[in-house]
Amino acid sequence: AQTVTQSQPEMSVQEAETVTLSCTYDTSESDYYLFWYKQPPSRQMILVIRQEAYKQQNATENRFSVNFQKAAKSFSLKISDSQLGDAAMYFCAYRSVSTGANSKLTFGKGITLSVRP
Amino acid sequence: EPEVTQTPSHQVTQMGQEVILRCVPISNHLYFYWYRQILGQKVEFLVSFYNNEISEKSEIFDDQFSVERPDGSNFTLKIRSTKLEDSAMYFCASSVEGKLFFGSGTQLSVL
Repeated sequence: AQTVTQSQPEMSVQEAETVTLSCTYDTSESDYYLFWYKQPPSRQMILVIRQEAYKQQNATENRFSVNFQKAAKSFSLKISDSQLGDAAMYFCAYRSVSTGANSKLTFGKGITLSVRP
Repeated sequence: EPEVTQTPSHQVTQMGQEVILRCVPISNHLYFYWYRQILGQKVEFLVSFYNNEISEKSEIFDDQFSVERPDGSNFTLKIRSTKLEDSAMYFCASSVEGKLFFGSGTQLSVL
């Protein structure tokens, strides 16, 4: 079974600065998807970014980018120019490809990001 | 932008009672899911549903749980006899082309 580990429970960043959130995972599969979801205080789950394992290029979405290290099974999220609205819980998630393109997500425990004004 | 809609946003029930949580997935999506999140813990998969049947379920999804798509738009999660430990946020989600979109959740409180 796949596991997702987010070992940092909390992080803090100064507004306008850059922060990196860590995630590692364990799998025996060669092809899969990785995701970062944001959960603000409203508790809605919002997709931030997605990475396909067969793509070597790191995904980017505006101020959000990932550092995907397949051999190390590491998938970190970098938030540039942090804004107060970035304060939230961030979850890393894994999805297998072998069980179908719409199979379940496996989540990490999440990390709480606070942004200091 | 289309979104997954869940009702109610909050549900309070007595232990042993039945509850039905409702969801309207995004209209062109074919895969539907229920996840739950106990306060302070990670999001856990409950069940996935495709083509009017369960495609996968977790160990959490025991005989007390059932899902149904009663018509062309709604997707429901029923808990037959609620327990205190069922208190959680329940998220409905739907997907297309591998992208999962979540609803805003139903907070279930079992007293």
